[in-house]
Amino acid sequence: SQKIEQNSEALNIQEGKTATLTCNYTNYSPAYLQWYRQDPGRGPVFLLLIRENEKEKRKERLKVTFDTTLKQSLFHITASQPADSATYLCALDMPGGSYIPTFGRGTSLIVHP
Amino acid sequence: GAVVSQHPSRVICKSGTSVKIECRSLDFQATTMFWYRQFPKQSLMLMATSNEGSKATYEQGVEKDKFLINHASLTLSTLTVTSAHPEDSSFYICSAVNSGGAGDEQFFGPGTRLTVL
Repeated sequence: SQKIEQNSEALNIQEGKTATLTCNYTNYSPAYLQWYRQDPGRGPVFLLLIRENEKEKRKERLKVTFDTTLKQSLFHITASQPADSATYLCALDMPGGSYIPTFGRGTSLIVHP
Repeated sequence: GAVVSQHPSRVICKSGTSVKIECRSLDFQATTMFWYRQFPKQSLMLMATSNEGSKATYEQGVEKDKFLINHASLTLSTLTVTSAHPEDSSFYICSAVNSGGAGDEQFFGPGTRLTVL
């Protein structure tokens, strides 16, 4: 079965720096991969989707890369702000092309002022 | 943007009682909604797929008689936890797919914190 690995340790960075979060997966390569933000006690909020034929996607201060050879996606937040502090989840689609994603546990990001 | 609401946001109940959680898509129609459960510091676990006008599809290990799902309209799905027990205490989150959209993006509700005493 598909296993999604996200660093369970919180990432602490200083305001203004670039935060980089990692999502690794095993077994099959998904048709697409998504990143979500989740604040404590709240539901996830969709951020970006990247497809298997895309290497990189950007949205404002966010950048996602997708390396199907390494089976890895990197999520970058440039010029990070304390308001970016949250848990970031990556999610992969299931085999068969359905749009039901399987979620990783998420990595907590803490941006210090 | 697409908004999904959940009600209640927080509920505390006694063991053995039933609890109903509502999930509504406020500005779009959702033929399909999903129900997830999330324990502290864990990933979201899909419980079931709710389809408007038909029976829900449950994931392996999820008891359909315990977690009743009703998707009566294109904007409302309900999850009823029957005869709740303390081990059912969790964060329940629904999501909806915009029937008129690309089909790739799920919009999540804010979640419902259930505590069973």
